[in-house]
Amino acid sequence: ETGVTQTPRHLVMGMTNKKSLKCEQHLGHNAMYWYKQSAKKPLELMFVYNFKEQTENNSVPSRFSPECPNSSHLFLHLHTLQPEDSALYLCASSHRGPTLSSYNEQFFGPGTRLTVL
Amino acid sequence: GQQVMQIPQYQHVQEGEDFTTYCNSSTTLSNIQWYKQRPGGHPVFLIQLVKSGEVKKQKRLTFQFGEAKKNSSLHITATQTTDVGTYFCAGTDSNYQLIWGAGTKLIIKP
Repeated sequence: ETGVTQTPRHLVMGMTNKKSLKCEQHLGHNAMYWYKQSAKKPLELMFVYNFKEQTENNSVPSRFSPECPNSSHLFLHLHTLQPEDSALYLCASSHRGPTLSSYNEQFFGPGTRLTVL
Repeated sequence: GQQVMQIPQYQHVQEGEDFTTYCNSSTTLSNIQWYKQRPGGHPVFLIQLVKSGEVKKQKRLTFQFGEAKKNSSLHITATQTTDVGTYFCAGTDSNYQLIWGAGTKLIIKP
């Protein structure tokens, strides 16, 4: 196991639902990430949190709302999603230096397979 | 925006044959990482290259970082069924953004 857990592992939701994805890391890292992985597309980095502060938001629609209450937990709140948002959502964590000048080895969770009907 | 092109998208090989995937960036990268994702799994870190011209080996896997730090390759010698999966590169660009390649799927022919 990588030390990064995600719940739920599978989620089916309607377009009007509100749900949240949870990620927890037990590795003592100070950076956490949300990725979207769709078929036949590169991994899309959605959000980056360093030391609990959001440092990157890569043009993600506002229907995705991240929350990082502490350096071990990361949430992704979902509301009014579209069918094209169906994908595997991966959480990752790593250690980052104070200058944030590069990325170190990332440890991924098993992902949440999301289906939007 | 910045891109890392990874080729090929798929590669079918007979067990025992070699496999190579290439990543090319339009700009200089400060480092490049390689990950492997097994079918149904999540990406797992393999290695990080930082220095110009760096070559690292892990058993049958050889990783290279180009002299200009714009390209990288992963070569697997004598593939085995356990090598099946998708291999991704990810580089840190000059804006400290992490850019991922689209991945190369290694398929072993029966």
